[in-house]
Amino acid sequence: DGGITQSPKYLFRKEGQNVTLSCEQNLNHDAMYWYRQDPGQGLRLIYYSQIVNDFQKGDIAEGYSVSREKKESFPLTVTSAQKNPTAFYLCASSLAGGWENTQYFGPGTRLTVL
Amino acid sequence: AQSVAQPEDQVNVAEGNPLTVKCTYSVSGNPYLFWYVQYPNRGLQFLLKYITGDNLVKGSYGFEAEFNKSQTSFHLKKPSALVSDSALYFCAVRPLNTGFQKLVFGTGTRLLVSP
Repeated sequence: DGGITQSPKYLFRKEGQNVTLSCEQNLNHDAMYWYRQDPGQGLRLIYYSQIVNDFQKGDIAEGYSVSREKKESFPLTVTSAQKNPTAFYLCASSLAGGWENTQYFGPGTRLTVL
Repeated sequence: AQSVAQPEDQVNVAEGNPLTVKCTYSVSGNPYLFWYVQYPNRGLQFLLKYITGDNLVKGSYGFEAEFNKSQTSFHLKKPSALVSDSALYFCAVRPLNTGFQKLVFGTGTRLLVSP
């Protein structure tokens, strides 16, 4: 899991609540990513950011929002608009600008909607 | 469409035997290919990647993978499996014609190594 931390490890949310998942990295990486993992579906990209104050939607951005105010931090908010938010959420980071750059992952946050 | 297929949901192997976890891809142009491993309730750990050059890539924990362009495959291998290798393995591809560093993941293969 290297220098990427995610908190909390487990998160429980009631219907209609927004929750924010934290992701911090000390690898001096420019690019950061959020993925969602569901059983049998692999990982799907929610949002990514290649530089501070800039981010782009991934394949399943609806119901999610992000910010990138600092290089080290890329928090993800799961809003009440997300229809099925129960999943395992993974944050990753990488150097930017090179096709060969490897993405490194944090330990994940498991979100459960009650 | 750009995709990665891992045709086996689960692979069972006895400790000490060789193991293979299969991956095939479908992308435009030459891809960059990656293997990751995930232990229960943990993030993904990088194992190895193919960028260019030698078709046999060596990675962490004794794993290696063979890139086969004609068969569009990138199978993960290890000569002698350990019980501790039991985990979920993901193949991923980065198509070179995308404008950002997107990774497309397979659905994962669970490896069970029996003592």
